[in-house]
Amino acid sequence: KQEVTQIPAALSVPEGENLVLNCSFTDSAIYNLQWFRQDPGKGLTSLLLIQSSQREQTSGRLNASLDKSSGRSTLYIAASQPGDSATYLCAVRHNNNDMRFGAGTRLTVKP
Amino acid sequence: EPEVTQTPSHQVTQMGQEVILRCVPISNHLYFYWYRQILGQKVEFLVSFYNNEISEKSEIFDDQFSVERPDGSNFTLKIRSTKLEDSAMYFCASKMRGVIPNEQFFGPGTRLTVL
Repeated sequence: KQEVTQIPAALSVPEGENLVLNCSFTDSAIYNLQWFRQDPGKGLTSLLLIQSSQREQTSGRLNASLDKSSGRSTLYIAASQPGDSATYLCAVRHNNNDMRFGAGTRLTVKP
Repeated sequence: EPEVTQTPSHQVTQMGQEVILRCVPISNHLYFYWYRQILGQKVEFLVSFYNNEISEKSEIFDDQFSVERPDGSNFTLKIRSTKLEDSAMYFCASKMRGVIPNEQFFGPGTRLTVL
């Protein structure tokens, strides 16, 4: 059974700092991996999706990498801003249809 | 830009009552999903639906749950007799078929509170 773990559970950084969020998964036979942002009490906003054949994806200040063989993904946020404060979720999907989510990293960017 | 919508945004019900959560997926999508997130916990997969039938379901999706696509636009999740532990945020998602990047698009969620 796929287990998805995110470290750290919470992170607080000063504005402007670059940071890395980590996601690990136990079953490397994934179809894709997706990073989401969730604001308190709100829905899921998709940030980046990496196919199993890809190594990374970039969108603006965000860069996500995938190392399928070691069961790891990272989300790199450059030049963090207070508006980046949210919970970041990692989710993996196999060839069946369900996605397995990590518990998330709660990020606080202090002005 | 097309988006998944869900109604209501918040539903309060008494234990034992039936509730129906509604979702309108993106119009040309063919795969539909329900997930739930109990407060402070992980998002959990409930069920996937394709071609008018359930294609996958988790151990959470027991006999008190059912899904339906009653018309060409709505996708519903019914909980027959709600329990306190059903209180959660319920997310609907939809996806096209066989198109890279094969992304699931999520709705804003319905917060269900069972009293």
